[in-house]
Amino acid sequence: DQQVKQNSPSLSVQEGRISILNCDYTNSMFDYFLWYKKYPAEGPTFLISISSIKDKNEDGRFTVFLNKSAKHLSLHIVPSQPGDSAVYFCAARSTNSGYALNFGKGTSLLVTP
Amino acid sequence: ETGVTQTPRHLVMGMTNKKSLKCEQHLGHNAMYWYKQSAKKPLELMFVYNFKEQTENNSVPSRFSPECPNSSHLFLHLHTLQPEDSALYLCASSQDLAGGAEQFFGPGTRLTVL
Repeated sequence: DQQVKQNSPSLSVQEGRISILNCDYTNSMFDYFLWYKKYPAEGPTFLISISSIKDKNEDGRFTVFLNKSAKHLSLHIVPSQPGDSAVYFCAARSTNSGYALNFGKGTSLLVTP
Repeated sequence: ETGVTQTPRHLVMGMTNKKSLKCEQHLGHNAMYWYKQSAKKPLELMFVYNFKEQTENNSVPSRFSPECPNSSHLFLHLHTLQPEDSALYLCASSQDLAGGAEQFFGPGTRLTVL
C-alpha cells in the first residue's frame, strides 16, 4: 500500500513561471517530509524539507507547503528555469517504521524556454 | 572522492552468477541504506544499517545479502537473481537514523539480469 502519492507523472511549465508539484500522503505518523530532485543517470539529490510542526519552509526559489489536515504537501518553484527540468520525488519519514523514507513515484518536470 | 559513490555503475549478470555492488560514503555518516527503483515504481527501501548494525530488512528475498563492514562501506551481494530483479539499485547515507531525515544518494547501479 503506497503511503506517499504523486498523482501527476509529468508537468510542463514555461520558463519564468511557477511550477507546483503536489504530493499526498496517508500516514499520520509521518513527522518529516522531503523533496528530492533526480537527473537521468544520477542519484536523487536532496532539495528541501519540512517538519510536520511547520506549514511552510522556503529556500531561495523553492518553497514547500504542508497542509496536515489535508495530508498534502506541495513544492513551489518560482521562477522556474530550464535547469529545473528533472524528476521530483516527494518522501516522508515515519518514526514508527525505523525512520525509513517512503517515496512517491515522482513527477517529471519540464521547463521550456 | 566526495559524497556517496557506487560501483559498478552498470552490471549485466546471468541468473546463476554471483556479483556484488559496492557503496562508499565520504560524509562521515553513521547510517547507510540500500534502495531499489524499478520502472514506474517508487523507490523501495531494502536494508538499513546504523553504526554497522542492520536495523531493517524490508522483507527482501535472501538472494540479496547486505554487508556493512564499517560505517563508510556497504555491499549488496547478489546470487541467483531473477529477471524481475533488474532495476536501479541506490545506496544512501545519513548522519544517523533519528537526527536528520536528509539522505544523500549515490548515482546508483543499473542492474540487468538476463
